[in-house]
Amino acid sequence: QLQLQESGPALVKPSETLSLTCTVSGGSISSTTSFWGWIRQPPGKGLEWIGSVYYNGNTYYNTTLRSRVTISVDTSRNQFSLKLTSVTAADTAVYYCARLPTQWLPDRYYLDYWGQGTLVTVSS
Amino acid sequence: EIVLTQSPGTLSLSPGERATLSCRASQSVSSSYLAWYQQKPAQAPRLLIYGASNRATGIPDRFSGSGSGTDFTLTISRLEPEDFAVYYCQQYGGSPGTFGGGTKVEIK
Repeated sequence: QLQLQESGPALVKPSETLSLTCTVSGGSISSTTSFWGWIRQPPGKGLEWIGSVYYNGNTYYNTTLRSRVTISVDTSRNQFSLKLTSVTAADTAVYYCARLPTQWLPDRYYLDYWGQGTLVTVSS
Repeated sequence: EIVLTQSPGTLSLSPGERATLSCRASQSVSSSYLAWYQQKPAQAPRLLIYGASNRATGIPDRFSGSGSGTDFTLTISRLEPEDFAVYYCQQYGGSPGTFGGGTKVEIK
């Protein structure tokens, strides 16, 4: 059974960089039929795509966040990571990592396995 | 981008009743690329339906999806206590993929 687990700081100061890692177990991040994505959910609100990465490093980013987002992959550790720069209070959210079971649609597709999510609060 | 509008915002029903949730798209969703998720408090979303009508692995058959074009429906034939949750639709036929605002199914 594929499992994903987010890790990283729960509190980030305004203007700093949010950094999260997703560790994949029970399967290989080098699968040629999967993208790996980040999604966030502000408290009490809906879901928002952040972006996704393929095992070879190809990435897709939401256009509204593109200037601040970097997603990378480390196949040796079966992990992928998210960096979001210049954060503000508006970036406070639960951040989820998830799998997209597709090799063709990195900017969309359904998500079949999710991490439990991690709340990141932006505050001084 | 395709905007998804879910209705109603809240559905108040009793266990055993039928739930009908609507998801309307601002433009046609190609290939019926629409998914439904269930989210319970403090949990990640769980995939229920993909391709508008295909149940994900392990999903009970009381959950069914239908629709095409701009109008999609999730039906729960008989509500079980564990079905009270928030439900989201997501389209992946247009770029970027987008989510609806959710429908909360609460106990009446």
